Amino acid sequence: ETGVTQTPRHLVMGMTNKKSLKCEQHLGHNAMYWYKQSAKKPLELMFVYSLEERVENNSVPSRFSPECPNSSHLFLHLHTLQPEDSALYLCASSQDGTGVTNEQFFGPGTRLTVL
Amino acid sequence: AQSVAQPEDQVNVAEGNPLTVKCTYSVSGNPYLFWYVQYPNRGLQFLLKYITGDNLVKGSYGFEAEFNKSQTSFHLKKPSALVSDSALYFCAVRDNYGQNFVFGPGTRLSVLP
Repeated sequence: ETGVTQTPRHLVMGMTNKKSLKCEQHLGHNAMYWYKQSAKKPLELMFVYSLEERVENNSVPSRFSPECPNSSHLFLHLHTLQPEDSALYLCASSQDGTGVTNEQFFGPGTRLTVL
Repeated sequence: AQSVAQPEDQVNVAEGNPLTVKCTYSVSGNPYLFWYVQYPNRGLQFLLKYITGDNLVKGSYGFEAEFNKSQTSFHLKKPSALVSDSALYFCAVRDNYGQNFVFGPGTRLSVLP
């Protein structure tokens, strides 16, 4: 176990549904991240939060909406998704978002399928 | 801009033989280099990192990596492969300007019994 948990582990949703992914870290870290992992594509950084403030948003469509209520929890709210959004969504945390030498700790991911 | 290349999609090695998974990088400033492993249906797991100092870095599960500045490489190695090492391996880079991680496309390692 890495100290980062994600729920649910699997999610199937229709294009008109609204759902949320949850991430929780038990490591006392200050930075949290959302990544998208699609088959045969590099890992894509979606959002970065440092001390509960969003510090990066890599041109992610507005149908993905992050929320970081505190340094231990991170959500990804999903609405009107497209089939091409089907992927493994990974959450990660690190000691300090600005500390360039800090490695990231990843959760197990949520496998999302959009029908 | 930062970039990472892993030139091999797939590496096959026999159990007990040494293994190498290749990584080359490009950054503007000083490189900070990382290796992660991903087992099926799991998230990425940190293996080792190079920040400064000795070019040979030792990490988890008997893995090590060698930083070569002139060749801009950071190849992952293990002297004797195990079947349980079969997984997807990712190289990642960050520079001292504080940019976020850039991950390579991954290399699938298969260790054959």
